[in-house]
Amino acid sequence: DVKVTQSSRYLVKRTGEKVFLECVQDMDHENMFWYRQDPGLGLRLIYFSYDVKMKEKGDIPEGYSVSREKKERFSLILESASTNQTSMYLCASSDLGYTQYFGPGTRLTVL
Amino acid sequence: AQSVTQLGSHVSVSEGALVLLRCNYSSSVPPYLFWYVQYPNQGLQLLLKYTTGATLVKGINGFEAEFKKSETSFHLTKPSAHMSDAAEYFCAVSGGSSNTGKLIFGQGTTLQVKP
Repeated sequence: DVKVTQSSRYLVKRTGEKVFLECVQDMDHENMFWYRQDPGLGLRLIYFSYDVKMKEKGDIPEGYSVSREKKERFSLILESASTNQTSMYLCASSDLGYTQYFGPGTRLTVL
Repeated sequence: AQSVTQLGSHVSVSEGALVLLRCNYSSSVPPYLFWYVQYPNQGLQLLLKYTTGATLVKGINGFEAEFKKSETSFHLTKPSAHMSDAAEYFCAVSGGSSNTGKLIFGQGTTLQVKP
C-alpha cells in the first residue's frame, strides 16, 4: 500500500513564525505536490516537484517555498506565517499514471 | 487547457436512493479522469480512474463512472446510497501532455445522505 505521511495533523503557529510542513512517501514516486484546501475553493496547487531538487510553482505560490533534498521527502515552508494562511494543507505523490496518493492533511491555524 | 466542472456543490439523497454526481471536463489531449472521496478531516482517497479502454469504470464502495467523450463527461454513480457515503467528492483530469503528474481538480461536491 502506498503511504504518504505528514508531520502533523494539527498545528498552531503565531503570525510571523517560520513554519515547516513535512511530507514523506514510501513508493519511490518522482512527483510530489502541496495543496491547500479551503471551504468553497476546492484544492489549490501551491508547488509541485517532479524530481529531487526540481520544483515548479503551482497556482498560488506566494508566501510559500518548498524543499526537496531527497526523493521521498517534500517540505512546504511558510517563511513568515500570516493569518490568511490558516488552512488545510494536503500533500500528495503520484505514480507515472497520474494517480495521486494523498496524506491525511495538516490543519494549520495561524494566530 | 484542462478544466473540470462539477455541477452542484451540494447533493442530498435518501438512503437507498441513486447517487449521481456530475463532472464535465475539457482537455486538449486524451484525458485521464479520476474521482476521489474525502471524509471529514482526512486526505483524499482514490475511488476510481479512467485511463484508456473500457469506458465504464468500477471503483471501490460500489461506485462507478462512465467516460463519455462526446459529452466530455465523467459522472459518478452508485445505485443505492449508504449513510457512510456522506463525504466530499472531487473529480479530476490529468493536467496536460507533460508528464509532471499534475491533476486539475473540480471544486468538489458534498454528498449528504438522509436516513
